[in-house]
Amino acid sequence: AQKITQTQPGMFVQEKEAVTLDCTYDTSDPSYGLFWYKQPSSGEMIFLIYQGSYDQQNATEGRYSLNFQKARKSANLVISASQLGDSAMYFCAMREGFYNQGGKLIFGQGTELSVKP
Amino acid sequence: GAVVSQHPSRVICKSGTSVKIECRSLDFQATTMFWYRQFPKQSLMLMATSNEGSKATYEQGVEKDKFLINHASLTLSTLTVTSAHPEDSSFYICSARSGLGNTQYFGPGTRLTVL
Repeated sequence: AQKITQTQPGMFVQEKEAVTLDCTYDTSDPSYGLFWYKQPSSGEMIFLIYQGSYDQQNATEGRYSLNFQKARKSANLVISASQLGDSAMYFCAMREGFYNQGGKLIFGQGTELSVKP
Repeated sequence: GAVVSQHPSRVICKSGTSVKIECRSLDFQATTMFWYRQFPKQSLMLMATSNEGSKATYEQGVEKDKFLINHASLTLSTLTVTSAHPEDSSFYICSARSGLGNTQYFGPGTRLTVL
């Protein structure tokens, strides 16, 4: 069964507008972490933001914020004031368990974001 | 953020040869390193997890004898693709995590083309 689901293969957004990239997950482990990574055409994976399952507040990092809805098992990424450089693939990922249990990440299928000038 | 390097960034080899890819954590000690494979327009698929000084743990369906992983020190892990074939052509990415952190930091990737 798919543990991380990104239902938007491609998204378009106008420059300077906000965009939300969807991510839902499935786990029975009460302890988990959720990550978002950006992958530009160069291929490198750039860490954007992290949300722990016990975190009370939604994570924010500059223009990135994570809309964490635990009951719905969703962890959507919100990018405010989109820039042309935001055009890239975006991956949602989940780590189950405490870090000393291996810590491997399971990735979603990815969303390709295109920012229009 | 932490820096992870990979070498080489791009390699082209003939079918039947072996290729070694290095993954280094430059400014932190990586107790755990991960190796991923990514086909064009697809997601990252975890191949194996390696802990310093112990044998790697391979994901189901990954051939241990074909993809040899060595994690000899806290800053270096290597992936050797043995007897490479054209179907092994892919983008290989490593990541590293220190024992005290939650975040995995990724290397820039290695694009392997087997002719």
